[in-house]
Amino acid sequence: SQTIHQWPATLVQPVGSPLSLECTVEGTSNPNLYWYRQAAGRGLQLLFYSVGIGQISSEVPQNLSASRPQDRQFILSSKKLLLSDSGFYLCAWSGLSTTSTEAFFGQGTRLTVV
Amino acid sequence: RKEVEQDPGPFNVPEGATVAFNCTYSNSASQSFFWYRQDCRKEPKLLMSVYSSGNEDGRFTAQLNRASQYISLLIRDSKLSDSATYLCVVAAGGGGFKTIFGAGTRLFVKA
Repeated sequence: SQTIHQWPATLVQPVGSPLSLECTVEGTSNPNLYWYRQAAGRGLQLLFYSVGIGQISSEVPQNLSASRPQDRQFILSSKKLLLSDSGFYLCAWSGLSTTSTEAFFGQGTRLTVV
Repeated sequence: RKEVEQDPGPFNVPEGATVAFNCTYSNSASQSFFWYRQDCRKEPKLLMSVYSSGNEDGRFTAQLNRASQYISLLIRDSKLSDSATYLCVVAAGGGGFKTIFGAGTRLFVKA
């Protein structure tokens, strides 16, 4: 069966520090991968999605970046965090066929920038 | 216009009530539709897929209207445990199957 791992679960970082969140998927090949952010009391905002290794689409201009160095690995990074980067970051994967496009989420990383 | 729009609520209903949520989407090429449920401080989880013919799962009924580009979720006989945020989800085709989530509708079911 497929599983998705996301870490760390919680993170407190000072303003201006770098960020690296990692997500890996097991049990499937060539998944679509996503990074979402959910600010407190708000909905899910799509940040990045990837349909293959090295293929990243950015949805929102920001100081974050994403990379997909391996088929089942998706990394969210920042060189310098802002206070506004605080939020709940969720990695997700979905299949490519029309019958398997539902998204499965990792447990999320709660980031607080102080 | 947002790609997926929902009324944020909150909907406050008594136990046993019937409540309906609607969601509209802008991309007419969208191919797959879902409702997710998100509990406080947790990740979203699939509640049910939405099929063109409509589908029912116990107290939950989902419907899709492609012509008007909206999706609905009906919850009958609400339970306290139904309190959560319900997310409308649309997956577009075009070789990438980008999955877009609505901002969610908050439901509070009270005794």
